[in-house]
Amino acid sequence: GQSLEQPSEVTAVEGAIVQINCTYQTSGFYGLSWYQQHDGGAPTFLSYNALDGLEETGRFSSFLSRSDSYGYLLLQELQMKDSASYFCAVRDQAAVNKLTFGGGTRVLVKP
Amino acid sequence: GAGVSQSPSNKVTEKGKDVELRCDPISGHTALYWYRQSLGQGLEFLIYFQGNSAPDKSGLPSDRFSAERTGGSVSTLTIQRTQQEDSAVYLCASSPAGRSDEQFFGPGTRLTVL
Repeated sequence: GQSLEQPSEVTAVEGAIVQINCTYQTSGFYGLSWYQQHDGGAPTFLSYNALDGLEETGRFSSFLSRSDSYGYLLLQELQMKDSASYFCAVRDQAAVNKLTFGGGTRVLVKP
Repeated sequence: GAGVSQSPSNKVTEKGKDVELRCDPISGHTALYWYRQSLGQGLEFLIYFQGNSAPDKSGLPSDRFSAERTGGSVSTLTIQRTQQEDSAVYLCASSPAGRSDEQFFGPGTRLTVL
């Protein structure tokens, strides 16, 4: 089966940088996705990494190291609206059409 | 275009009753997923549809849970003889074929079993 580990909570101030780490164990691996979920809202897709390296999309970047079974989501120039939960998710060879989600990291941005 | 819609948005029921939750995916999305999320927790996979067939039902917690999809579109998740531990937000998502990593989620149905 799969398992994912990510910190439960991170607090930072506006304008700061936050890195949310995600380590995973899977039987085979296709890629690592990141989703954002505001309180009471639906998860929304942020990024997907299938290959090693950094993917940048505006203020958010996502990194993957397949050899280390590790990835992270980098949130830069934090804004109050970035306060949300962030989930990493993996798809693996045992269930190619199924995403397995981590427990989520709650990010609290303070003024 | 329209996103994924779910109904009802909230459902309160008594223990032992049956409930039906509905999901309308994005038009043209062949893949449809159901998840369950308890308060402050991650998403728990329930079932996956490709078209009208469900090749992966591995996440359904018990035989009280069932789901169907008709016309390659609307899906219904049915929970029979509800229990208090079924209380959660039930989320539906859809994606184009071959794009399982980027799923589009509906707003969810909050189920409360008294």
